[in-house]
Amino acid sequence: GENVEQHPSTLSVQEGDSAVIKCTYSDSASNYFPWYKQELGKRPQLIIDIRSNVGEKKDQRIAVTLNKTAKHFSLHITETQPEDSAVYFCAAYGNEKLTFGTGTRLTIIP
Amino acid sequence: DAGVIQSPRHEVTEMGQEVTLRCKPISGHNSLFWYRQTMMRGLELLIYFNNNVPIDDSGMPEDRFSAKMPNASFSTLKIQPSEPRDSAVYFCASSFRQGNYGYTFGSGTRLTVV
Repeated sequence: GENVEQHPSTLSVQEGDSAVIKCTYSDSASNYFPWYKQELGKRPQLIIDIRSNVGEKKDQRIAVTLNKTAKHFSLHITETQPEDSAVYFCAAYGNEKLTFGTGTRLTIIP
Repeated sequence: DAGVIQSPRHEVTEMGQEVTLRCKPISGHNSLFWYRQTMMRGLELLIYFNNNVPIDDSGMPEDRFSAKMPNASFSTLKIQPSEPRDSAVYFCASSFRQGNYGYTFGSGTRLTVV
């Protein structure tokens, strides 16, 4: 089955700086890669996704990149703000289901 | 759309009691997933259904856990008997086309077994 590894497990950045979270996947047939944000005590919510026929996608301060050859994808958050503090999960879709990474706890330091 | 609806939001029960968690998926979604989340183990997929049929229950930890989806708008996750180590947040999620368009999660049920 699919295996998704996510790094780092925790990340602290100064407000205004950029944050990068990286994931690798094992199944070359996986074709859809969403990212979820989970604030404390809340549900995971989809914030951005990318499909295997695209290399990069942006939505305001958030961008995701995908390298199919290397089987890794990354989340980039620029100009970080306090409200970006949360746990972020990457996921890969293959074999009819999403497989999630173990999460990255991002803390924005004011 | 009200989103994925879970009940109850919080449940406190004594060890040995039966616990039933409920989920109403988004109308039109044909896949439903039950997850358990703890600090130690993260998000664990317990079981998922496609078109009301259980597809993969390999994540169900023990025979004490069971799940049903009698129709497209309702699913239950039952724990009988409950144990303190079952304490966790249980999320239900639904999707269209098995998740190739992402999952929508419910608000979760925080279960505490004392």
